[in-house]
Amino acid sequence: GDSVTQMEGPVTLSEEAFLTINCTYTATGYPSLFWYVQYPGEGLQLLLKATKADDKGSNKGFEATYRKETTSFHLEKGSVQVSDSAVYFCAQPSGTYKYIFGTGTRLKVLA
Amino acid sequence: DGGITQSPKYLFRKEGQNVTLSCEQNLNHDAMYWYRQDPGQGLRLIYYSQIVNDFQKGDIAEGYSVSREKKESFPLTVTSAQKNPTAFYLCASSVQGLMNTEAFFGQGTRLTVV
Repeated sequence: GDSVTQMEGPVTLSEEAFLTINCTYTATGYPSLFWYVQYPGEGLQLLLKATKADDKGSNKGFEATYRKETTSFHLEKGSVQVSDSAVYFCAQPSGTYKYIFGTGTRLKVLA
Repeated sequence: DGGITQSPKYLFRKEGQNVTLSCEQNLNHDAMYWYRQDPGQGLRLIYYSQIVNDFQKGDIAEGYSVSREKKESFPLTVTSAQKNPTAFYLCASSVQGLMNTEAFFGQGTRLTVV
């Protein structure tokens, strides 16, 4: 069946370090792919998305490229800030009204 | 501002009691969802509703019930049949389905059984 696999956390980085959070998926066809972010004590909010292969989603300095060859959608940021500390979820639709979420990767950025 | 409002933010329940979590949206979205979040398990779908007066079970519906009498409202009742109800509950909505569009989430309700 469809699935989403994220790298285990927590990830701890110093401010201005480079960030990569890996996400791979299995799916029938080529679903849209999403990254959501959850700040402490809050709900999820969309960070970026890509709707077809080779698309690059970007927002707030974060980027992710939909790579069908490697079935991946890795999240990257060139220079993280303390304010980026949060939990990041990769997700894909499975059917019209269901998401499959990864387990989430907690990021902690130290000043 | 448009958005999703969940209340209360924190909720305590005694074992054997039913409790209802509120979710209201003013985004004019047709679809609404309830998710449960436990540490290390990501989000799991409890129920969803495509349109008013219709709802479907998700992956972990046992011990929960919902209603969708108004487009704006999708309350979740956690019944005494739910074996392990302590969790963080998230309500979400979307314009229609999720194939190419995002879901909008509320701030969540943390339920603790005491």
